[in-house]
Amino acid sequence: KAGVTQTPRYLIKTRGQQVTLSCSPISGHRSVSWYQQTPGQGLQFLFEYFSETQRNKGNFPGRFSGRQFSNSRSEMNVSTLELGDSALYLCASQETYNSPLHFGNGTRLTVT
Amino acid sequence: SQKIEQNSEALNIQEGKTATLTCNYTNYSPAYLQWYRQDPGRGPVFLLLIRENEKEKRKERLKVTFDTTLKQSLFHITASQPADSATYLCALRNSGNTPLVFGKGTRLSVIA
Repeated sequence: KAGVTQTPRYLIKTRGQQVTLSCSPISGHRSVSWYQQTPGQGLQFLFEYFSETQRNKGNFPGRFSGRQFSNSRSEMNVSTLELGDSALYLCASQETYNSPLHFGNGTRLTVT
Repeated sequence: SQKIEQNSEALNIQEGKTATLTCNYTNYSPAYLQWYRQDPGRGPVFLLLIRENEKEKRKERLKVTFDTTLKQSLFHITASQPADSATYLCALRNSGNTPLVFGKGTRLSVIA
């Protein structure tokens, strides 16, 4: 099976812009989670979706949003970008609720 | 407040020795704990899962222990090799509908 695919791999945006990141989970995986990774904070949980419903949400401002489509693909959106949003954004899928996460290689977002 | 602490940011050991990494948690009651490996520029990769009723789990040169009284997990790599150099992350999930949360990781360097 193909692994988790995230696009784009790299992105450079300017403060105030918005960005949309995409994630295709492993075929058959209905759960998708998103994490932000920075050197100082490590992996911070953003959202978790299952069958198009948001199951959990992390402690991030409303500028961060996400959704999941009927084919389990997911997108996350960050509006009004700030310099501090520069990070590696990781998406992961899982087969069942308590099974391990399978991560993509992330989208490296740089905000200038 | 809830915390997951991996007590070493970085650990250097000689090839052939056993590496021991520690994960301590506060104010969680995890049903299980997981360990992941992350290489630079890549997403984390799942290694091992240990449940609350298990004391120890092994996989090839890897061994994980879980002490719910001490609120601690230890991760051992025996006969370490330079290829084991990576960042190792512990993660846990409370019972119920909660997300998987990660420690900040320990960067292991195995020196030949």
